[in-house]
Amino acid sequence: DTGVSQNPRHKITKRGQNVTFRCDPISEHNRLYWYRQTLGQGPEFLTYFQNEAQLEKSRLLSDRFSAERPKGSFSTLEIQRTEQGDSAMYLCASSLMTGDLKSTDTQYFGPGTRLTVL
Amino acid sequence: GQQLNQSPQSMFIQEGEDVSMNCTSSSIFNTWLWYKQDPGEGPVLLIALYKAGELTSNGRLTAQFGITRKDSFLNISASIPSDVGIYFCAGTGSEGGNTGKLIFGQGTTLQVKP
Repeated sequence: DTGVSQNPRHKITKRGQNVTFRCDPISEHNRLYWYRQTLGQGPEFLTYFQNEAQLEKSRLLSDRFSAERPKGSFSTLEIQRTEQGDSAMYLCASSLMTGDLKSTDTQYFGPGTRLTVL
Repeated sequence: GQQLNQSPQSMFIQEGEDVSMNCTSSSIFNTWLWYKQDPGEGPVLLIALYKAGELTSNGRLTAQFGITRKDSFLNISASIPSDVGIYFCAGTGSEGGNTGKLIFGQGTTLQVKP
Protein backbone atom coordinates (compact mmCIF):
# COMPACT_ATOMS: atom_id res chain seq x y z
CA ASP A 1 0.00 0.00 0.00
CA THR A 2 1.57 3.29 -1.08
CA GLY A 3 -1.01 5.64 0.41
CA VAL A 4 -0.67 8.02 3.35
CA SER A 5 -0.13 6.22 6.65
CA GLN A 6 -0.58 7.50 10.18
CA ASN A 7 0.44 6.11 13.55
CA PRO A 8 -0.95 5.44 16.01
CA ARG A 9 -4.54 5.02 14.84
CA HIS A 10 -5.87 5.61 18.33
CA LYS A 11 -4.40 7.34 21.36
CA ILE A 12 -5.93 7.70 24.80
CA THR A 13 -4.12 9.97 27.21
CA LYS A 14 -4.66 11.81 30.44
CA ARG A 15 -4.98 15.56 30.57
CA GLY A 16 -1.61 17.22 30.89
CA GLN A 17 0.36 14.50 29.10
CA ASN A 18 2.26 15.04 25.86
CA VAL A 19 1.42 13.06 22.72
CA THR A 20 3.12 12.69 19.35
CA PHE A 21 1.63 11.49 16.10
CA ARG A 22 3.43 10.43 12.95
CA CYS A 23 2.45 10.77 9.30
CA ASP A 24 4.15 9.13 6.32
CA PRO A 25 2.99 10.75 3.07
CA ILE A 26 2.80 9.18 -0.37
CA SER A 27 6.47 8.67 -1.19
CA GLU A 28 7.03 11.25 -3.95
CA HIS A 29 4.75 13.91 -2.45
CA ASN A 30 6.53 17.07 -1.33
CA ARG A 31 3.55 18.74 0.38
CA LEU A 32 2.21 17.46 3.69
CA TYR A 33 -0.81 18.83 5.54
CA TRP A 34 -2.28 18.37 9.02
CA TYR A 35 -5.98 18.79 9.75
CA ARG A 36 -8.14 18.35 12.83
CA GLN A 37 -11.66 17.00 12.73
CA THR A 38 -14.16 17.05 15.59
CA LEU A 39 -17.37 15.06 15.66
CA GLY A 40 -19.95 16.21 13.14
CA GLN A 41 -17.63 18.70 11.46
CA GLY A 42 -15.48 18.80 8.38
CA PRO A 43 -11.69 18.74 8.77
CA GLU A 44 -10.04 22.04 9.67
CA PHE A 45 -6.60 23.01 8.44
CA LEU A 46 -3.79 23.17 11.00
CA THR A 47 -0.54 23.51 9.07
CA TYR A 48 1.35 22.41 5.99
CA PHE A 49 4.88 21.74 4.79
CA GLN A 50 6.53 21.95 1.44
CA ASN A 51 9.53 19.68 1.75
CA GLU A 52 11.04 20.62 5.14
CA ALA A 53 9.60 24.12 5.27
CA GLN A 54 6.50 24.84 7.31
CA LEU A 55 4.73 27.36 5.10
CA GLU A 56 1.50 28.12 6.94
CA LYS A 57 0.03 27.64 10.39
CA SER A 58 -3.58 28.12 11.37
CA ARG A 59 -4.63 30.13 14.40
CA LEU A 60 -6.02 26.79 15.64
CA LEU A 61 -2.43 25.69 16.18
CA SER A 62 -1.80 26.98 19.69
CA ASP A 63 1.63 27.18 21.31
CA ARG A 64 1.12 23.70 22.70
CA PHE A 65 1.14 22.26 19.18
CA SER A 66 4.28 21.77 17.16
CA ALA A 67 4.80 20.04 13.84
CA GLU A 68 8.01 19.02 12.16
CA ARG A 69 9.12 17.49 8.91
CA PRO A 70 12.89 17.37 9.38
CA LYS A 71 13.93 15.48 6.25
CA GLY A 72 11.05 16.39 4.00
CA SER A 73 9.56 12.91 4.26
CA PHE A 74 7.56 11.90 7.34
CA SER A 75 6.10 14.45 9.74
CA THR A 76 5.30 14.50 13.44
CA LEU A 77 2.66 16.49 15.28
CA GLU A 78 3.22 16.94 19.00
CA ILE A 79 0.68 18.25 21.49
CA GLN A 80 2.06 19.28 24.86
CA ARG A 81 0.04 19.44 28.06
CA THR A 82 -3.04 17.98 26.41
CA GLU A 83 -6.48 19.33 27.27
CA GLN A 84 -9.86 17.69 26.89
CA GLY A 85 -10.63 20.08 24.06
CA ASP A 86 -7.80 18.51 22.07
CA SER A 87 -9.84 15.33 21.67
CA ALA A 88 -10.38 14.94 17.93
CA MET A 89 -9.35 13.04 14.83
CA TYR A 90 -6.01 14.30 13.51
CA LEU A 91 -5.69 13.81 9.78
CA CYS A 92 -2.66 14.00 7.55
CA ALA A 93 -2.77 14.54 3.79
CA SER A 94 -0.19 14.87 1.06
CA SER A 95 0.06 16.22 -2.48
CA LEU A 96 2.68 16.70 -5.16
CA MET A 97 3.45 20.35 -5.76
CA THR A 98 4.39 20.97 -9.38
CA GLY A 99 3.47 23.63 -11.89
CA ASP A 100 0.30 21.65 -12.56
CA LEU A 101 -2.73 22.61 -10.49
CA LYS A 102 -4.10 19.09 -10.72
CA SER A 103 -1.30 17.49 -8.76
CA THR A 104 -0.63 20.42 -6.43
CA ASP A 105 -4.21 20.83 -5.22
CA THR A 106 -5.24 17.18 -5.07
CA GLN A 107 -4.74 16.02 -1.50
CA TYR A 108 -4.87 12.40 -0.39
CA PHE A 109 -5.66 11.65 3.23
CA GLY A 110 -4.44 9.07 5.66
CA PRO A 111 -6.69 7.08 8.01
CA GLY A 112 -6.23 9.54 10.86
CA THR A 113 -5.25 9.33 14.53
CA ARG A 114 -8.14 9.46 16.97
CA LEU A 115 -7.06 11.26 20.17
CA THR A 116 -9.07 10.97 23.36
CA VAL A 117 -7.99 13.10 26.32
CA LEU A 118 -9.43 11.97 29.66
CA GLY B 1 -12.97 28.64 11.04
CA GLN B 2 -14.02 29.36 7.49
CA GLN B 3 -16.30 26.67 6.00
CA LEU B 4 -18.29 26.03 2.91
CA ASN B 5 -22.07 25.72 3.08
CA GLN B 6 -22.97 22.17 2.19
CA SER B 7 -26.51 20.86 1.82
CA PRO B 8 -28.43 18.89 2.63
CA GLN B 9 -27.03 18.04 6.04
CA SER B 10 -28.40 14.50 5.82
CA MET B 11 -30.35 12.28 3.46
CA PHE B 12 -32.18 9.02 3.95
CA ILE B 13 -33.04 7.39 0.66
CA GLN B 14 -34.17 4.12 -0.85
CA GLU B 15 -31.67 1.92 -2.65
CA GLY B 16 -31.74 2.69 -6.37
CA GLU B 17 -32.63 6.36 -5.96
CA ASP B 18 -30.45 9.18 -7.26
CA VAL B 19 -28.84 11.62 -4.84
CA SER B 20 -27.79 15.22 -5.25
CA MET B 21 -25.83 17.43 -2.85
CA ASN B 22 -24.19 20.80 -3.28
CA CYS B 23 -21.72 23.21 -1.82
CA THR B 24 -21.58 27.00 -1.95
CA SER B 25 -18.96 29.51 -0.91
CA SER B 26 -18.66 33.26 -0.60
CA SER B 27 -15.15 32.99 -2.08
CA ILE B 28 -14.08 31.65 -5.44
CA PHE B 29 -11.94 28.54 -5.62
CA ASN B 30 -9.55 27.21 -8.22
CA THR B 31 -10.14 23.58 -7.30
CA TRP B 32 -13.11 21.69 -5.88
CA LEU B 33 -12.74 18.23 -4.38
CA TRP B 34 -15.33 15.73 -3.20
CA TYR B 35 -14.48 13.15 -0.52
CA LYS B 36 -16.31 10.29 1.19
CA GLN B 37 -15.58 9.41 4.79
CA ASP B 38 -16.56 6.24 6.64
CA PRO B 39 -16.72 6.21 10.47
CA GLY B 40 -13.28 6.16 12.05
CA GLU B 41 -11.48 6.54 8.74
CA GLY B 42 -9.91 9.36 6.76
CA PRO B 43 -11.61 11.04 3.78
CA VAL B 44 -11.26 9.20 0.46
CA LEU B 45 -11.05 11.30 -2.69
CA LEU B 46 -13.95 10.72 -5.10
CA ILE B 47 -13.71 13.46 -7.73
CA ALA B 48 -11.48 16.48 -8.34
CA LEU B 49 -12.52 19.50 -10.44
CA TYR B 50 -10.08 22.11 -11.75
CA LYS B 51 -11.96 24.34 -14.21
CA ALA B 52 -15.12 26.42 -13.96
CA GLY B 53 -17.92 24.57 -15.74
CA GLU B 54 -16.07 21.26 -15.66
CA LEU B 55 -18.28 18.17 -15.40
CA THR B 56 -16.52 14.98 -14.31
CA SER B 57 -17.76 11.46 -13.71
CA ASN B 58 -16.39 8.57 -11.68
CA GLY B 59 -18.62 5.54 -12.15
CA ARG B 60 -22.04 6.41 -10.74
CA LEU B 61 -20.76 9.72 -9.40
CA THR B 62 -20.87 12.99 -11.33
CA ALA B 63 -19.65 16.35 -10.08
CA GLN B 64 -19.59 19.83 -11.55
CA PHE B 65 -17.52 22.94 -10.89
CA GLY B 66 -19.89 25.92 -10.95
CA ILE B 67 -19.41 28.66 -13.54
CA THR B 68 -19.09 31.32 -10.83
CA ARG B 69 -16.35 29.20 -9.15
CA LYS B 70 -18.30 29.58 -5.92
CA ASP B 71 -20.24 26.33 -6.01
CA SER B 72 -20.13 22.66 -6.89
CA PHE B 73 -22.52 19.74 -6.83
CA LEU B 74 -22.21 15.98 -6.59
CA ASN B 75 -24.73 13.50 -7.96
CA ILE B 76 -24.86 9.79 -7.19
CA SER B 77 -27.00 7.71 -9.49
CA ALA B 78 -28.74 4.44 -8.60
CA SER B 79 -27.57 4.43 -4.98
CA ILE B 80 -26.49 1.17 -3.33
CA PRO B 81 -26.01 0.33 0.37
CA SER B 82 -22.23 0.83 0.23
CA ASP B 83 -22.80 4.50 -0.68
CA VAL B 84 -23.61 5.07 2.99
CA GLY B 85 -21.22 7.54 4.60
CA ILE B 86 -20.44 11.22 4.97
CA TYR B 87 -19.69 13.20 1.83
CA PHE B 88 -17.56 16.33 2.05
CA CYS B 89 -16.88 19.05 -0.46
CA ALA B 90 -13.63 20.97 -0.19
CA GLY B 91 -12.20 23.95 -2.02
CA THR B 92 -8.71 25.31 -2.37
CA GLY B 93 -6.90 28.09 -4.20
CA SER B 94 -9.07 31.01 -3.17
CA GLU B 95 -8.94 34.62 -4.35
CA GLY B 96 -5.84 35.25 -2.31
CA GLY B 97 -3.89 32.69 -4.26
CA ASN B 98 -3.05 29.07 -3.62
CA THR B 99 -2.60 28.85 0.11
CA GLY B 100 -2.33 25.07 0.04
CA LYS B 101 -5.11 24.45 2.55
CA LEU B 102 -8.47 22.86 1.91
CA ILE B 103 -11.63 24.50 3.20
CA PHE B 104 -14.27 21.87 3.95
CA GLY B 105 -18.05 21.84 4.04
CA GLN B 106 -19.90 20.47 7.05
CA GLY B 107 -20.67 17.19 5.28
CA THR B 108 -23.76 15.40 4.00
CA THR B 109 -24.63 12.17 5.81
CA LEU B 110 -26.15 9.64 3.42
CA GLN B 111 -28.13 6.66 4.56
CA VAL B 112 -29.46 4.12 2.08
CA LYS B 113 -32.33 1.79 2.86
CA PRO B 114 -32.04 -1.56 1.08
